[in-house]
Amino acid sequence: KAGVTQTPRYLIKTRGQQVTLSCSPISGHRSVSWYQQTPGQGLQFLFEYFSETQRNKGNFPGRFSGRQFSNSRSEMNVSTLELGDSALYLCASSLAFGEETQYFGPGTRLLVL
Amino acid sequence: GEDVEQSLFLSVREGDSSVINCTYTDSSSTYLYWYKQEPGAGLQLLTYIFSNMDMKQDQRLTVLLNKKDKHLSLRIADTQTGDSAIYFCAEMRHDMRFGAGTRLTVKP
Repeated sequence: KAGVTQTPRYLIKTRGQQVTLSCSPISGHRSVSWYQQTPGQGLQFLFEYFSETQRNKGNFPGRFSGRQFSNSRSEMNVSTLELGDSALYLCASSLAFGEETQYFGPGTRLLVL
Repeated sequence: GEDVEQSLFLSVREGDSSVINCTYTDSSSTYLYWYKQEPGAGLQLLTYIFSNMDMKQDQRLTVLLNKKDKHLSLRIADTQTGDSAIYFCAEMRHDMRFGAGTRLTVKP
């Protein structure tokens, strides 16, 4: 069974631009969570989607948004990029909302110049 | 500050046992996890333990949970150079909370 896939793997943007990252969960998994990983703040939870609805949200500004499609694929969007948004963005999938095991993708590394 | 705390570095010799420690703050956490991250990669789920368990063993990995002290440990027996990575402890409450990660270096 294929794992969680994320595209693109690497991305370079400039301040003020916006970016969209994509995540395809493991087949059959319906819940997708997003995390931001930075050297300074570590791993921080962004949001979780299940059945096309945001079920949980971390403490991030409104510039960070996401959505989930009927096939469980998810996208996250960051608008008006700031230098501090440079990070590894990780997506994790699980069978259902609140499921105890999450499986992570390889991440998308975003560099904001 | 972080809710989950880990020491940042651990260095062991190949063949020795490694013990990575973690403390968490929320006694209502339902599950506690250990993840491994190798350079340039995402997180690999190693093992997890339900909060009503004291110990879980899976091949070379042993997880010990002390709920009274809110202390979680991961023991890796017969540590190999391929075990060199960053190990994250995490707790599941309403969402997943991670520690800062412990960088394990295995010397030949």
